[in-house]
Amino acid sequence: KNEVEQSPQNLTAQEGEFITINCSYSVGISALHWLQQHPGGGIVSLFMLSSGKKKHGRLIATINIQEKHSSLHITASHPRDSAVYICAVRIGGADGLTFGKGTHLIIQP
Amino acid sequence: DSGVTQTPKHLITATGQRVTLRCSPRSGDLSVYWYQQSLDQGLQFLIQYYNGEERAKGNILERFSAQQFPDLHSELNLSSLELGDSALYFCASSVGGRSEQFFGPGTRLTVL
Repeated sequence: KNEVEQSPQNLTAQEGEFITINCSYSVGISALHWLQQHPGGGIVSLFMLSSGKKKHGRLIATINIQEKHSSLHITASHPRDSAVYICAVRIGGADGLTFGKGTHLIIQP
Repeated sequence: DSGVTQTPKHLITATGQRVTLRCSPRSGDLSVYWYQQSLDQGLQFLIQYYNGEERAKGNILERFSAQQFPDLHSELNLSSLELGDSALYFCASSVGGRSEQFFGPGTRLTVL
């Protein structure tokens, strides 16, 4: 069983829709990261969370430590949001990240 | 642009060969991480260096090694290459071990 599970694996939505991507983990963590990977391959760090909620522009990330669950929300989605969104965790005292398999998001105009 | 640079961008080589991938971290970052992204395994942590010293090892094969130099740039050496080593190799850097990580553009390695 993977230590980090993401859902859905694939998501296609219309421009303007509210998007939610979920991440569940099964181990104790010190931080959770949300990353974005575009078709060209580059990875961009969106958020690093250890508790609560963070917002940046149209992106919101939340984490519930007790439930071992995090969500990434995109408001007013746009075709340029189309990418793979990856949840990654720092397990315990480790510094290296353990990754989910990613959610492939397509926003249609 | 994350400020992390990686060279080369693409590398094509043959089985059995040895290659070196290079990473320059963001200015001021002491920690460098190496990750491998393959189609079957996804993203995996390989190894971390902090201020010149090895800090943590992940799923790094014995054929692979890395080092971080006094100017904080890092090199990942891959030897006795196999077809299965074909992947994207990312370097990331952070200020400290527990900080946000910033990823380089990656090196795409193709082993023929």
